[in-house]
Amino acid sequence: AQRVTQPEKLLSVFKGAPVELKCNYSYSGSPELFWYVQYSRQRLQLLLRHISRESIKGFTADLNKGETSFHLKKPFAQEEDSAMYYCALGTDKLIFGTGTRLQVFP
Amino acid sequence: KAGVTQTPRYLIKTRGQQVTLSCSPISGHRSVSWYQQTPGQGLQFLFEYFSETQRNKGNFPGRFSGRQFSNSRSEMNVSTLELGDSALYLCASRPSSYNSPLHFGNGTRLTVT
Repeated sequence: AQRVTQPEKLLSVFKGAPVELKCNYSYSGSPELFWYVQYSRQRLQLLLRHISRESIKGFTADLNKGETSFHLKKPFAQEEDSAMYYCALGTDKLIFGTGTRLQVFP
Repeated sequence: KAGVTQTPRYLIKTRGQQVTLSCSPISGHRSVSWYQQTPGQGLQFLFEYFSETQRNKGNFPGRFSGRQFSNSRSEMNVSTLELGDSALYLCASRPSSYNSPLHFGNGTRLTVT
């Protein structure tokens, strides 16, 4: 079955601390993976996709096919990073995880 | 370009009624997907339309239906509303290919009483 698992509902860190939001997927084919972010009172928007191999707002994510993971990382969290983060798997449709709320305290 | 537009923003209905939600995709986008977002379940895929045809469907009962018009605008209908249908319904569009990113609207918040 195609599935995306985000084990943490809430992740709280202090400003300047490293952040890692976990994402594991289940898919037998070649995966297309995304991270979406939803800031307070804003629409859900794409943060990054694995195929681009970019760093957006200091965030990176590496696809690990052996561990079927696509964790989102940032070395130094900022208060403005506080948001809801969703990992998504693209197959014939886009399947989302249940999301992780990141809280960055000053 | 204007973003994905969903109307109305808020709806309050009673059990047993039906409701229609509307979505206008980004100009040039031919694919429209619908998702149900709830605090407990996150984003659940409802269906995707492409060129007026349903291309994919999630695991929702037949009370949930949709359609797409020739201008790519889409509507979603829920009949015989239940309390559990209360949710934020999100529409998203993309150009055409399966793995291109989705662009989301602000959603329609449906409350069933």
